[in-house]
Amino acid sequence: DTGVSQDPRHKITKRGQNVTFRCDPISEHNRLYWYRQTLGQGPEFLTYFQNEAQLEKSRLLSDRFSAERPKGSFSTLEIQRTEQGDSAMYLCASSFPQGENTEAFFGQGTRLTVV
Amino acid sequence: KQEVTQIPAALSVPEGENLVLNCSFTDSAIYNLQWFRQDPGKGLTSLLLIQSSQREQTSGRLNASLDKSSGRSTLYIAASQPGDSATYLCAVSEVGNKLTFGTGTQLKVEL
Repeated sequence: DTGVSQDPRHKITKRGQNVTFRCDPISEHNRLYWYRQTLGQGPEFLTYFQNEAQLEKSRLLSDRFSAERPKGSFSTLEIQRTEQGDSAMYLCASSFPQGENTEAFFGQGTRLTVV
Repeated sequence: KQEVTQIPAALSVPEGENLVLNCSFTDSAIYNLQWFRQDPGKGLTSLLLIQSSQREQTSGRLNASLDKSSGRSTLYIAASQPGDSATYLCAVSEVGNKLTFGTGTQLKVEL
């Protein structure tokens, strides 16, 4: 078990381009979450999956954002037509809720810079 | 809407000092509370999770308490070391176990 893995670690893109990030959760974790963190702030919830089903999307997730978890394992987060305001750290987390124990484990994040 | 506040926003202490970080939340209907550490430019490392039915958790030099009714948690760090320098985030878990985070306390432990 190597923990939650995110790829790439850093991405620089020009405004208007599309970008895609990947998250590999801890194996057998059925829940996967995406968060966004801007400088000096705590992470903010974007969306989450239980297995392959996307159960909730935040209002922060505009129409330009789409997330998938096709086989209930890894997940991708795509941002279309990037804007400078999309520059942030995108964090993925996974968990396997067992009763009250719902500890979330985070990856190292993908730092996106839109120039 | 749940709001999480952390005080202080920044803290600088000499090595060896014991310290307390504070976290408060507005809605007591939480499943659990989790404390994380974040180093600059890195992801989050889970430190402690306190389930809603628990009052405290301990791991090494760290002790976290939870008072759900008053909407408060504290993280106590004993005998601080320079390696403890980081940002500490608290987060509460709600429906779907999604987390609502505070803005963090940036800790610097000086030699």
